[in-house]
Amino acid sequence: DSGVTQTPKHLITATGQRVTLRCSPRSGDLSVYWYQQSLDQGLQFLIQYYNGEERAKGNILERFSAQQFPDLHSELNLSSLELGDSALYFCASSVSEDASYEQYFGPGTRLTVT
Amino acid sequence: DQQVKQNSPSLSVQEGRISILNCDYTNSMFDYFLWYKKYPAEGPTFLISISSIKDKNEDGRFTVFLNKSAKHLSLHIVPSQPGDSAVYFCAAIAGANSKLTFGKGITLSVRP
Repeated sequence: DSGVTQTPKHLITATGQRVTLRCSPRSGDLSVYWYQQSLDQGLQFLIQYYNGEERAKGNILERFSAQQFPDLHSELNLSSLELGDSALYFCASSVSEDASYEQYFGPGTRLTVT
Repeated sequence: DQQVKQNSPSLSVQEGRISILNCDYTNSMFDYFLWYKKYPAEGPTFLISISSIKDKNEDGRFTVFLNKSAKHLSLHIVPSQPGDSAVYFCAAIAGANSKLTFGKGITLSVRP
């Protein structure tokens, strides 16, 4: 158990819909990272927040957005969903804003868009 | 453009033997490399890392070798155990304020 929780575990929704994925970091960790893992892809970095502020952005689509709240939990919002958005979405947390520090990953949310 | 490549999707080895997992990269700005291990239905977990100022880092049964001139790193597991069966991701970063770039992963199967 990494100490990072993600909800829901599974999500099935239709194209065009909007969903929200939630992540609670390990106690004391200030950084939250979001990653997408599609079928034949590695982990693709989406976005990082550190202590409530956006720190780094990766290949995140404009239809996707995220935020980190004062209690440090984070939400990833995916809108106008397309079939290609079906993937495993991981959240990771770290004590540092430096991404080379060990990141602790949650178990992921599997999103299926039909 | 894939900057971190794990060209072999899978590897099968006998218990007790050495497992060698390879990773190549194209970005010469990468200065820190990490390996993460992932079991099914779990998130990845950090395994071992190496800075570009070193060419070897060892932690128990796990050793990572870095060849900067060839832009190549490898993870050696000796001896391999059935519990090592998992997907192994190579990752790299270019500087403290950069992002982690992952490879697609290698599935290691250790046969009893």
